[in-house]
Amino acid sequence: EDKVVQSPLSLVVHEGDTVTLNCSYEVTNFRSLLWYKQEKKAPTFLFMLTSSGIEKKSGRLSSILDKKELFSILNITATQTGDSAVYLCAATRVYDKIIFGKGTRLHILP
Amino acid sequence: NAGVTQTPKFRVLKTGQSMTLLCAQDMNHEYMYWYRQDPGMGLRLIHYSVGEGTTAKGEVPDGYNVSRLKKQNFLLGLESAAPSQTSVYFCASLTGGQPQHFGDGTRLSIL
Repeated sequence: EDKVVQSPLSLVVHEGDTVTLNCSYEVTNFRSLLWYKQEKKAPTFLFMLTSSGIEKKSGRLSSILDKKELFSILNITATQTGDSAVYLCAATRVYDKIIFGKGTRLHILP
Repeated sequence: NAGVTQTPKFRVLKTGQSMTLLCAQDMNHEYMYWYRQDPGMGLRLIHYSVGEGTTAKGEVPDGYNVSRLKKQNFLLGLESAAPSQTSVYFCASLTGGQPQHFGDGTRLSIL
C-alpha cells in the first residue's frame, strides 16, 4: 500500500531558528515528491522534486530528495512567524495518483 | 482566470441527506482530484480522474461517488450523508508533470 510519512507531526521553535521537516515515502511507480504550505485555506505549492541530490531553493526554504533512501527534507532557515503553517508532503505516481502525508504543524514563537 | 472553483463553500446537512459538491477548473487540466482533510490526517484522496469520462478510487472512496462528464467539472456526490463525512473537502487539478492547483475548500458538517 502506498504511503507517505511525515515527521515530526508538530514542532514549536523560536523565531530565527532553523528547522528540518522530514518526509519518507513508499509509492509504486514513483514520479515526484511535492511540498506544500497550508495556512488557513488551500495548500500552496512550494517545491516539486524529481531527481535525487539536487537541492531546490526559494528564499529561506530549500528541499532535497533521496530516491535511494526514499525520503525528502524541507529546511527553513531564519524562521519567521509567517512560516507558521502546516507543511504537507505528497508523492506522485506515474499515473498521477497523489498521496499526501499527515503534515507537520510548525509554530514559530516570536 | 479563476483557477479551481469549489461550490458551495459551506454546507450543513442532516444525516441521510444527499448533496453534490462541484469543482470547476478553467485551465484545461486533464487530471482532477477530490480530497478530504480532517484534523491531524493530512489530505486523503477520495476519488480522482485522469480525463473526461474516467474516474478512479482513491484511499477513502466509500460513501462517495464522482462524475467527470465534462473536462472542466468534477462532481463529488454524497448519496446518504453520515456524521463521519463531516470534513473539509478540497478539489485539485493538474496537467501532466506539474503540481496541483487547489480550490479553497468546502466545509461540510453532517448533523
